[in-house]
Amino acid sequence: GAVVSQHPSRVICKSGTSVKIECRSLDFQATTMFWYRQFPKQSLMLMATSNEGSKATYEQGVEKDKFLINHASLTLSTLTVTSAHPEDSSFYICSARGDGSSNQPQHFGDGTRLSIL
Amino acid sequence: SQKIEQNSEALNIQEGKTATLTCNYTNYSPAYLQWYRQDPGRGPVFLLLIRENEKEKRKERLKVTFDTTLKQSLFHITASQPADSATYLCALDMNQGGKLIFGQGTELSVKP
Repeated sequence: GAVVSQHPSRVICKSGTSVKIECRSLDFQATTMFWYRQFPKQSLMLMATSNEGSKATYEQGVEKDKFLINHASLTLSTLTVTSAHPEDSSFYICSARGDGSSNQPQHFGDGTRLSIL
Repeated sequence: SQKIEQNSEALNIQEGKTATLTCNYTNYSPAYLQWYRQDPGRGPVFLLLIRENEKEKRKERLKVTFDTTLKQSLFHITASQPADSATYLCALDMNQGGKLIFGQGTELSVKP
């Protein structure tokens, strides 16, 4: 089945550091990838839609200059949390959907646990 | 805006029984409704998708129903096993470029 690999799985770093998270579709091409964040015991909240070869579409309230997204190829999207602060600590998850009809399920990576000290 | 509600309380059942989880939504019906399983510290895993014109979908021990009049989907696991213990998420696909709106999930615990 479709596999999405997310790296790193865990990051602990100091406040002010920028952190890059990679999301790769391993056995399929994905023109669209999605980035979510999830707080404990809460739902996945969509942050942005990443489109290959074009600018990402951000959800309301998500700062695009804070969360930089680059989707340079059909199998790789990256999320960079710039100048991270403790309030950015969360579980970040990416997903990718196979191309084709709109009723395709999303395939998720295993998430990145980000802890800012 | 669209809102989704799942049972916020954890569901505890005995092995072998049927687990039934509820997903209610407000406003307009989605084109598709999906169910995912999420284990602690992991990403969600897709289970089933049901279209707005379908009443019921089955896959092995899983069954999903979709009632657009009640604005509700029910997710059933028959002959439940301890390995079914996880958080189950429902998600609405509003046919807007693949964007999903997730419920907060229901934690299921199956006791041996």
